[in-house]
Amino acid sequence: DTAVSQTPKYLVTQMGNDKSIKCEQNLGHDTMYWYKQDSKKFLKIMFSYNNKELIINETVPNRFSPKSPDKAHLNLHINSLELGDSAVYFCASSQRVSGYTFGSGTRLTVV
Amino acid sequence: SQQGEEDPQALSIQEGENATMNCSYKTSINNLQWYRQNSGRGLVHLILIRSNEREKHSGRLRVTLDTSKKSSSLLITASRAADTASYFCATVSPGETSGSRLTFGEGTQLTVNP
Repeated sequence: DTAVSQTPKYLVTQMGNDKSIKCEQNLGHDTMYWYKQDSKKFLKIMFSYNNKELIINETVPNRFSPKSPDKAHLNLHINSLELGDSAVYFCASSQRVSGYTFGSGTRLTVV
Repeated sequence: SQQGEEDPQALSIQEGENATMNCSYKTSINNLQWYRQNSGRGLVHLILIRSNEREKHSGRLRVTLDTSKKSSSLLITASRAADTASYFCATVSPGETSGSRLTFGEGTQLTVNP
């Protein structure tokens, strides 16, 4: 199936831990993104990569670090997790001016 | 800051009725997109309308765009229970081609009662 797949789907962890979320797309898209959806369902962009190059870096704490080893993968590493990091994180990809394809999300709960 | 505001925040209708959701935005756009999100799932792209287009259709969906009023509407005709979901509008600013960001509205929760 052509898709954007992200793992894990659920992540429960303690404050202070470091965790990673992985994302892969097999659509051949050049651009990949990370979005954060808060408890009120508001979606906001965090990062955008085009052909492994960082294009967009919103006002996100330095504890969040994206890594794109190739244009089909964009991972998100989070250091020193805080309670406020609890949210659903979505990976997405797109090609030029087109609709995005979103992954199914990773629900992160920090306790 | 938030680009889009959607109206209404929640809409409850009976199966077979039409559902209309509105979206307003603040700045110039290259295009506007509508997405659906079922509970606990990812977003699904429904339709994209460019700034020089006024209306677009896809199946039971009809989208209009009025750039003078900075607003768009999504009409779902003959609604079904399976249309129950959150619907989001999102805009792309001019000049953003590669790495374009979507700026989302707050979303409308649509409930279609059988």
